[in-house]
Amino acid sequence: SQQGEEDPQALSIQEGENATMNCSYKTSINNLQWYRQNSGRGLVHLILIRSNEREKHSGRLRVTLDTSKKSSSLLITASRAADTASYFCATPSYNTDKLIFGTGTRLQVFP
Amino acid sequence: DTGVSQNPRHKITKRGQNVTFRCDPISEHNRLYWYRQTLGQGPEFLTYFQNEAQLEKSRLLSDRFSAERPKGSFSTLEIQRTEQGDSAMYLCASSPPWGTGGSGEQYFGPGTRLTVT
Repeated sequence: SQQGEEDPQALSIQEGENATMNCSYKTSINNLQWYRQNSGRGLVHLILIRSNEREKHSGRLRVTLDTSKKSSSLLITASRAADTASYFCATPSYNTDKLIFGTGTRLQVFP
Repeated sequence: DTGVSQNPRHKITKRGQNVTFRCDPISEHNRLYWYRQTLGQGPEFLTYFQNEAQLEKSRLLSDRFSAERPKGSFSTLEIQRTEQGDSAMYLCASSPPWGTGGSGEQYFGPGTRLTVT
């Protein structure tokens, strides 16, 4: 079963614009991770935020975490055509290492 | 670092046939995971190994599915008597031992796309 729900399901923007996608989850977590998946390819880990962190940056990526609302957001600034991909949030299941993924946001960046 | 590799990349089989997929994790990673992903969905956990021990299996893993990691290195996932509903992308991931710099992120292979006709 899916742990998280991403919102929106699909997003289309122009190059240079910012893209924001949101993730909601159901249970208590130790950390939350974001992954990117290009069409037909494997997932690439982007960023991990721990439950005691509220915000984290990595390059053009900014992730926030609100554990009281059980939600996270991923912001991609100054988007590029190469950012076109599906983005998934994932959380480790309690007391195990397996990841539970959300349903994903499909981002399309037009040149 | 050669990354996680999976073979084959694509497999087309007829219903009722058996198929086997292989995953080679990153060499120093002791944890290995299998996931299944269908079109438009996020990956769903199937099973997990720490070294050669299979520590967890999803209820998605029916009796027709079996996974092994005999020497704690590569892993195989076998599906017996395939059904059309088994058509999916099968993803393998690995992660390093806790305390060696990792925080729980997993490194994924390119996947094996299975089509059952």
